[in-house]
Amino acid sequence: GEDVEQSLFLSVREGDSSVINCTYTDSSSTYLYWYKQEPGAGLQLLTYIFSNMDMKQDQRLTVLLNKKDKHLSLRIADTQTGDSAIYFCAESIRGGRRALTFGSGTRLQVQP
Amino acid sequence: NAGVTQTPKFQVLKTGQSMTLQCAQDMNHNSMYWYRQDPGMGLRLIYYSASEGTTDKGEVPNGYNVSRLNKREFSLRLESAAPSQTSVYFCASSGTGQDLEKLFFGSGTQLSVL
Repeated sequence: GEDVEQSLFLSVREGDSSVINCTYTDSSSTYLYWYKQEPGAGLQLLTYIFSNMDMKQDQRLTVLLNKKDKHLSLRIADTQTGDSAIYFCAESIRGGRRALTFGSGTRLQVQP
Repeated sequence: NAGVTQTPKFQVLKTGQSMTLQCAQDMNHNSMYWYRQDPGMGLRLIYYSASEGTTDKGEVPNGYNVSRLNKREFSLRLESAAPSQTSVYFCASSGTGQDLEKLFFGSGTQLSVL
């Protein structure tokens, strides 16, 4: 959706860190999410952050949230070829609609 | 563990034909959703169902109808397919409370309308 924006493509070398960025519009979002889509598959929930947090770390994943700028990022440490996928950020329920609004997705390509 | 199952995986239609996409989940989830995915546009919500017997329009409902047959099943119908409906369709489900927004997705249906 146009209300959640992401860059379309990111290429990194294996072992480097990847940072995928997202901007969102609804300051009332309770949670913000990162989903991963591997080729030919549906989306899988990767991680999420509660809106009153600045950072969440989960093994190789670090989520940073800047509420003032409505900016969300996903950092993947020690990126592996298996991390190659499309990553979607999503913001939560808005305007009474009980569903997520997704960004257009960032394709991460990991070069060996 | 089946999770969310969608059928068919692929479908080719001619303009004006009708078809129904089937979706079933075995996680006892209350909420179910239909999204379409188009290149460069992410996922857009077509319809959702917060519980058995209720359905609501999403962002792009025109040209579609849905049926929440029971708690497990949520189908999407195209009455008269158009080329603009060529897309990948995903069904999803979610639980309640804090799990409401943790969506579980099916593997998708790739639909081409000629």
